[in-house]
Amino acid sequence: KNEVEQSPQNLTAQEGEFITINCSYSVGISALHWLQQHPGGGIVSLFMLSSGKKKHGRLIATINIQEKHSSLHITASHPRDSAVYICAVRFQETSGSRLTFGEGTQLTVNP
Amino acid sequence: DGGITQSPKYLFRKEGQNVTLSCEQNLNHDAMYWYRQDPGQGLRLIYYSQIVNDFQKGDIAEGYSVSREKKESFPLTVTSAQKNPTAFYLCASSIGFGVSEQFFGPGTRLTVL
Repeated sequence: KNEVEQSPQNLTAQEGEFITINCSYSVGISALHWLQQHPGGGIVSLFMLSSGKKKHGRLIATINIQEKHSSLHITASHPRDSAVYICAVRFQETSGSRLTFGEGTQLTVNP
Repeated sequence: DGGITQSPKYLFRKEGQNVTLSCEQNLNHDAMYWYRQDPGQGLRLIYYSQIVNDFQKGDIAEGYSVSREKKESFPLTVTSAQKNPTAFYLCASSIGFGVSEQFFGPGTRLTVL
């Protein structure tokens, strides 16, 4: 069964802390996405990865294809980073651009 | 500004009534998607459309219907056959069905009373 698991489900941090959110998947993928969902519900795409590492500002995403694992890191966290972070994958055996989503990680950053 | 709009943001309906959720995009994307989000669960695919006048069932299509008469529009109807329609509904689009990067609308929260 094609599955995506995220950990932790909930994460509370103090402003300035380094944060890591993890995503594991069951079988081979062609792409992995990290998404951010704000309290209002809208979702924005942060990264799309198929290998290696990407960085944008304070956000870093890495993927290890052999271990079927990806991490999203936030450096110098800020209360405005509080959101739900969602991992989504496109499995190799899936047609087209269909994505399978993790349950999300609720991040709260306190001032 | 290019993007995806969904209306309304909040929608209330009585049990047994059909309701149609709007999704419009001006990104000139061929593919469009409807997802349902419930607390503690990942997004689940209801229907998708690879191109105008075409659509396929996703993982949880029962009780829903769609149409794709125009490239920019992909409305979703929640019918009375949907057993548990109260949820947050998200529309998304991608340049083409072979491209996995999707752009999401702001969502519609449907509450059936």
